[in-house]
Amino acid sequence: AQSVTQLGSHVSVSEGALVLLRCNYSSSVPPYLFWYVQYPNQGLQLLLKYTSAATLVKGINGFEAEFKKSETSFHLTKPSAHMSDAAEYFCAVSVWAGANNLFFGTGTRLTVIP
Amino acid sequence: DTGVSQNPRHKITKRGQNVTFRCDPISEHNRLYWYRQTLGQGPEFLTYFQNEAQLEKSRLLSDRFSAERPKGSFSTLEIQRTEQGDSAMYLCAVGGEWPQHFGDGTRLSIL
Repeated sequence: AQSVTQLGSHVSVSEGALVLLRCNYSSSVPPYLFWYVQYPNQGLQLLLKYTSAATLVKGINGFEAEFKKSETSFHLTKPSAHMSDAAEYFCAVSVWAGANNLFFGTGTRLTVIP
Repeated sequence: DTGVSQNPRHKITKRGQNVTFRCDPISEHNRLYWYRQTLGQGPEFLTYFQNEAQLEKSRLLSDRFSAERPKGSFSTLEIQRTEQGDSAMYLCAVGGEWPQHFGDGTRLSIL
């Protein structure tokens, strides 16, 4: 069975600092991996996805994530945090195309300190 | 604008009552998904539609739950004989192979 673990339910960074949100996956076959963002009082939105093409995936709002098979990781990064990045971020995994097996992590709440 | 409108935003009901939620995508999408999210957890898949056809249902979707998408546009999710364990945020999403945009959800509270 596949699953994801998000390390740290809460992460705080200063404005302008590096954002690093951690996600490790468990899968017996090559996975598809996703990051979703949920801004306050809004629904989730797909931020980026890895589907076995380039291992470095660029998403919206300056975020990117790197698939590292050896580390079973798909960490989300952004070089410089903005106040508008404050949100909850969810990592998700799937092992074949189709939402019926998209499994989400428990989320990481990002706080940006001015 | 998330592209998906869900109503109501919050539903409070007594245990044993029936409730119905509605999801209206603002633009056309072939696939429509329903998820459930409880406090401190990520969304859990319930079911999805390809146009008007319901193609997959999670084991989480007991026989008290039914979903429809009659014209391939809006969708409804009905829960009959609600139980305490049904308290959650119910999310609707649209997209292609995977959900792209989620609505703000309907929060169900069971008294």
